[in-house]
Amino acid sequence: AQSVTQLDSQVPVFEEAPVELRCNYSSSVSVYLFWYVQYPNQGLQLLLKYLSGSTLVKGINGFEAEFNKSQTSFHLRKPSVHISDTAEYFCAVSERTSYDKVIFGPGTSLSVIP
Amino acid sequence: GAGVSQSPSNKVTEKGKDVELRCDPISGHTALYWYRQSLGQGLEFLIYFQGNSAPDKSGLPSDRFSAERTGGSVSTLTIQRTQQEDSAVYLCASSLGFEAFFGQGTRLTVV
Repeated sequence: AQSVTQLDSQVPVFEEAPVELRCNYSSSVSVYLFWYVQYPNQGLQLLLKYLSGSTLVKGINGFEAEFNKSQTSFHLRKPSVHISDTAEYFCAVSERTSYDKVIFGPGTSLSVIP
Repeated sequence: GAGVSQSPSNKVTEKGKDVELRCDPISGHTALYWYRQSLGQGLEFLIYFQGNSAPDKSGLPSDRFSAERTGGSVSTLTIQRTQQEDSAVYLCASSLGFEAFFGQGTRLTVV
């Protein structure tokens, strides 16, 4: 069965600095990969997704992620963060073979410091 | 509907009472999930429905928790004899294959 690891539970970063949130997954088959964002007191919304094709995926609000099959990673990056990026970020994986359930990582809390 | 709808948005109940939480998924979505999110914590998987298959109940924390999905659409999560540790936000999501769409959640407070 698939699993997702987000090693950093909390990431503080200064405004306008770059940020990388790490995500590694484990699966015996090909996967779909996702990043979701949860702003304070709100529900989860999709930030970006990798289904196939180019391994560099661009999402909303200037975020991007790169799928690395050999390292089983899908790290999220942004070159310059804003205060409004302060949120909880969840990496998720779904196996391609059977439209199996989406598995979420434990989340990374990004705090942008003015 | 346009999105996943959950009701009520907030629920305060006394310890020992039963509660029912409702989820209306996006029309046509075959998969439905329930998650629990305690204060400052990540997503805890509870249960997963996919079409007519038997639900995956592996995440239900105790036999006080149960869920059903009628007609492949609306789902109800029932918590019997609520305890204070059941206080959390309960999130529902639906999917047509891979991407999951979330509702705004039900905030349950057990006093």
